[in-house]
Amino acid sequence: DIQMTQSPSSLSASVGDRVTITCRPSQNINNYLNWYQQKPGKAPKLLIYSASSLRSGVPSRFSGSGSGTDFTLTISGLQPEDFATYYCQQGYSTLWTFGQGTKVEIK
Amino acid sequence: QVQLVESGGGVVQPGRSLRLSCAASGFTFSSYALHWVRQAPGEGLEWVATISYDGSNKFHADSVKGRFTISRDNSKKTLYLQMNSLRPEDTGVYYCARVGVWNSGTSLEYWGQGALVTVSS
Repeated sequence: DIQMTQSPSSLSASVGDRVTITCRPSQNINNYLNWYQQKPGKAPKLLIYSASSLRSGVPSRFSGSGSGTDFTLTISGLQPEDFATYYCQQGYSTLWTFGQGTKVEIK
Repeated sequence: QVQLVESGGGVVQPGRSLRLSCAASGFTFSSYALHWVRQAPGEGLEWVATISYDGSNKFHADSVKGRFTISRDNSKKTLYLQMNSLRPEDTGVYYCARVGVWNSGTSLEYWGQGALVTVSS
């Protein structure tokens, strides 16, 4: 199975900060990498697909980059509603896997 | 609009069985692959299983292989997860989800609200 390593596992940031989350798969997954946001008690929401494509309706402060074995989710100008847990997910192999999550908390 | 509604969750003893259902509406059900994803209490997301649009291809995570079976009934627009030989570590919220239309359907665009399964004696 492809292992997905996210870092950091948690971070504290202030409104307006620029936040970067990294996801590293254990093997090359081309651009089959997606990012989700989850708030407590709610289902995850897709933010970014194919590594860098913004899902319709998602604010432009969210962006994704990378390919192969190194991916990044960036939030430029953190807003109060962005405090949540973020997950990466690979769809390269038939057995999908998620990263362990990054919890973004208020400083 | 796209809706996915899970049902069938509950409390079950270890070793017993449970079947989850996911009723879909708002899209052409028979055109999309579907997935089950679960989340143990306080933990991250774990992919469980996937089924192709026509049911001809199915894949299960190693953690559930041989115990869980994904299936679908396109005439009823319903996805299923048959869970046998349940273990306490299977406890969690189970989400059904539909793939997106991009990149060969390798992302999950729509999610249900989740069904809670508790395995406990």
